[in-house]
Amino acid sequence: KNEVEQSPQNLTAQEGEFITINCSYSVGISALHWLQQHPGGGIVSLFMLSSGKKKHGRLIATINIQEKHSSLHITASHPRDSAVYICAVPLGGSNYKLTFGKGTLLTVNP
Amino acid sequence: DAMVIQNPRYQVTQFGKPVTLSCSQTLNHNVMYWYQQKSSQAPKLLFHYYDKDFNNEADTPDNFQSRRPNTSFCFLDIRSPGLGDAAMYLCATSRDQVGDEQFFGPGTRLTVL
Repeated sequence: KNEVEQSPQNLTAQEGEFITINCSYSVGISALHWLQQHPGGGIVSLFMLSSGKKKHGRLIATINIQEKHSSLHITASHPRDSAVYICAVPLGGSNYKLTFGKGTLLTVNP
Repeated sequence: DAMVIQNPRYQVTQFGKPVTLSCSQTLNHNVMYWYQQKSSQAPKLLFHYYDKDFNNEADTPDNFQSRRPNTSFCFLDIRSPGLGDAAMYLCATSRDQVGDEQFFGPGTRLTVL
């Protein structure tokens, strides 16, 4: 069982829709990372958060430490948001070695 | 803008021919990481440097080596690439290893013929 679970695995939306991607993890952590990867491309760090909520443009990330759950929201989605979104957390007693979720493939159609 | 730069973006090598991938950073971060990412898989940490201290992951093959001549540069050497080494290689940095945010480079896609 993967210690970092993401849902959904695939998500198709129409331009303008509000998107939510969820991440659950199994043990206490110091911080959680949300990453973006376009097909065939490198990884971009979107957020690192340890509590509460962060916002950057149309992206919002929230985390509930007690429930071991985080969500990534995209408001007014756009086709250029189409990418794989990955949740990653440091597990196994390490503060730096990330365990990655399997990713959520988001496709936003015009 | 401060960033993590990887060169080349695409590298083609022949089976068994040594290859070196390059990463540089303008963030002045202490920690540099190398990840291997195969198609449709999560990135796998190969090793990292904290300043000049090299930390190898237990399951990283001996075929993979790394050098960090100064704070800004880090190299990944694959001594004898096999077909199974074809992957995207990602470099990342963080200010300090204690849970800091990791900043990723664009990656180098390696093809082994």
